[in-house]
Amino acid sequence: EIVMTQSPASLSVSPGERATLSCRASQSVSSDLAWYQQKPGQAPRLLIYGASTRATGIPARFSGSGSGTEFTLTISSLQSEDFAVYSCQQYNNWPLTFGPGTKVDIK
Amino acid sequence: QVQLVESGGGVVQPGRSLRLSCAASGFTFSNYAMHWVRQAPGKGLEWVAIISYDGSNKHYADSVKGRFTISRDNSKNTVHVQTNSLRAEDTAVYYCARDRGSGRVWAAFADYWGQGTLVTISS
Repeated sequence: EIVMTQSPASLSVSPGERATLSCRASQSVSSDLAWYQQKPGQAPRLLIYGASTRATGIPARFSGSGSGTEFTLTISSLQSEDFAVYSCQQYNNWPLTFGPGTKVDIK
Repeated sequence: QVQLVESGGGVVQPGRSLRLSCAASGFTFSNYAMHWVRQAPGKGLEWVAIISYDGSNKHYADSVKGRFTISRDNSKNTVHVQTNSLRAEDTAVYYCARDRGSGRVWAAFADYWGQGTLVTISS
């Protein structure tokens, strides 16, 4: 099973600032990496797939990069609605696995 | 619009069974693979299972293999997961989600999610 890790576990950011979140896979997943956003009490929302392709309706301030074992989600200028938990998921190998998440909260 | 509505959760004793269901609408259900993903209280997401568009192909997380069975009824636009031999660590919100792929080619990640149904394992 591919183990996904994320860092940091939590991140305090001021509105308008940039946030950089990391995701690492225990072995290469090529570009088969998705990012999700989840707010309290809500279902996850797909943000990015293929490591760097934004899902339908996702603002351009969200960008993804990386391949192999190292991935990054960048939120260029945090808006109030972006404070949430962000999780990565690999879909290169069965079983599919998620990272533990990074919580982004208001500084 | 795509809607996924889960049902069947509740409180059940360890060792017992529960069948969760997900009713889909707003898209051609028979064209899409479907996932179950769970989230224990205060924890991260854990993928549970996937079933192909026609039900012929399935994969499971190691933690549920042999205990959970995913199935679908394309005539009723529903997907189910039969959960047997439940353990305390199966306590979670269970989400149904639509695979981003279509037809024979599944993407193995989800683009639409339901709101979840809570399963609590407690004696």
